[in-house]
Amino acid sequence: DVKVTQSSRYLVKRTGEKVFLECVQDMDHENMFWYRQDPGLGLRLIYFSYDVKMKEKGDIPEGYSVSREKKERFSLILESASTNQTSMYLCASSSRYQPQHFGDGTRLSIL
Amino acid sequence: KQEVTQIPAALSVPEGENLVLNCSFTDSAIYNLQWFRQDPGKGLTSLLLIQSSQREQTSGRLNASLDKSSGRSTLYIAASQPGDSATYLCAVRPRYGGSQGNLIFGKGTKLSVKP
Repeated sequence: DVKVTQSSRYLVKRTGEKVFLECVQDMDHENMFWYRQDPGLGLRLIYFSYDVKMKEKGDIPEGYSVSREKKERFSLILESASTNQTSMYLCASSSRYQPQHFGDGTRLSIL
Repeated sequence: KQEVTQIPAALSVPEGENLVLNCSFTDSAIYNLQWFRQDPGKGLTSLLLIQSSQREQTSGRLNASLDKSSGRSTLYIAASQPGDSATYLCAVRPRYGGSQGNLIFGKGTKLSVKP
């Protein structure tokens, strides 16, 4: 069974902090994705990666960066957290052309 | 730009009823369409994936259909149960303009099945 693990279910940080969200998958998937989900806006793609050290911007990359040093791990970085980045963050992985598998999400609050 | 719409936004039915959830998309150039389930505070669980060349997929009490030319998909749930209560999301993978596996999501239909 595919397992996508996000390091934290709940996280509270302060404005201006540098925040790291971690995601690990155990299926040797090439593709990994970071989304945020907000009421009334649905899921929006922040960044994705189709290989180690490769990354592409999604629809809303501003204020975020990512890192993929190993195939199984994809990190989302909030360089200087702001209150408008309070949200549910979802990580997903997939093989090429195959269904995406999601983690349980990280509910991030920026105070 | 591809847009995905799900109507209704919320639906409440009595237990045992058969129901249909609707999804429409604006650009028929898609690789596939996927239906997900999301429980409150949780991630997404993939239910069914329909390739662009297919018309329908079935899994247990769930049946998803795809009419690519009209930009529509339906998720049929037979004999609904309280455990089916969740938000159901539809997503398409565009054939052009995206990268490998990128999905465009609808905003979901929140289903409540009353005992």
